[in-house]
Amino acid sequence: RKEVEQDPGPFNVPEGATVAFNCTYSNSASQSFFWYRQDCRKEPKLLMSVYSSGNEDGRFTAQLNRASQYISLLIRDSKLSDSATYLCVVTPWNTGGGNKLTFGTGTQLKVEL
Amino acid sequence: DAGITQSPRYKITETGRQVTLMCHQTWSHSYMFWYRQDLGHGLRLIYYSAAADITDKGEVPDGYVVSRSKTENFPLTLESATRSQTSVYFCASKQGWGQGETQYFGPGTRLLVL
Repeated sequence: RKEVEQDPGPFNVPEGATVAFNCTYSNSASQSFFWYRQDCRKEPKLLMSVYSSGNEDGRFTAQLNRASQYISLLIRDSKLSDSATYLCVVTPWNTGGGNKLTFGTGTQLKVEL
Repeated sequence: DAGITQSPRYKITETGRQVTLMCHQTWSHSYMFWYRQDLGHGLRLIYYSAAADITDKGEVPDGYVVSRSKTENFPLTLESATRSQTSVYFCASKQGWGQGETQYFGPGTRLLVL
């Protein structure tokens, strides 16, 4: 079983739609959680951290469910510019240094007119 | 401009050749990382460095060597390239810790081993 699993998609949605992605992680000791965004053939960039209480940044809402070991990302009012691959990232509390990130393979989102 | 850069951006080489990928950051971040990204695997950590002269293996270190004589540079060397090392390589540096961490990635090097 992969440490971090995501539905690869693609999720094809019309502009203005609400879309949600889930991600599951296998290591119950995971302590830090993130969503990164990666545009085609570009480098990943941090979208948002995922806090235990859930957090929101504009149209983006991230939730964490420790009991079920999954993370979600909700995008409201999708824009064409949201088209990208969304990477779920987790890290254990003590990795012996570097706070090494474990990346999911990503979920592809395509927002269409 | 400040940031993290990688060179070359594209490289074609032959099996058995030595290849060095360069990474340079201007933020003076202590931690730096090398990842490879392949279809179906996501980003996998090759090596990381906590500071100058301190390096450690990641998930897939075999066939790679790193060094870090200066904080700002973290080169990755493929000692004898193999076709399985065809990939996109990303260098990153880190700011913050725990939930407040952000990793900043370079633009990547696309390597093809023939």
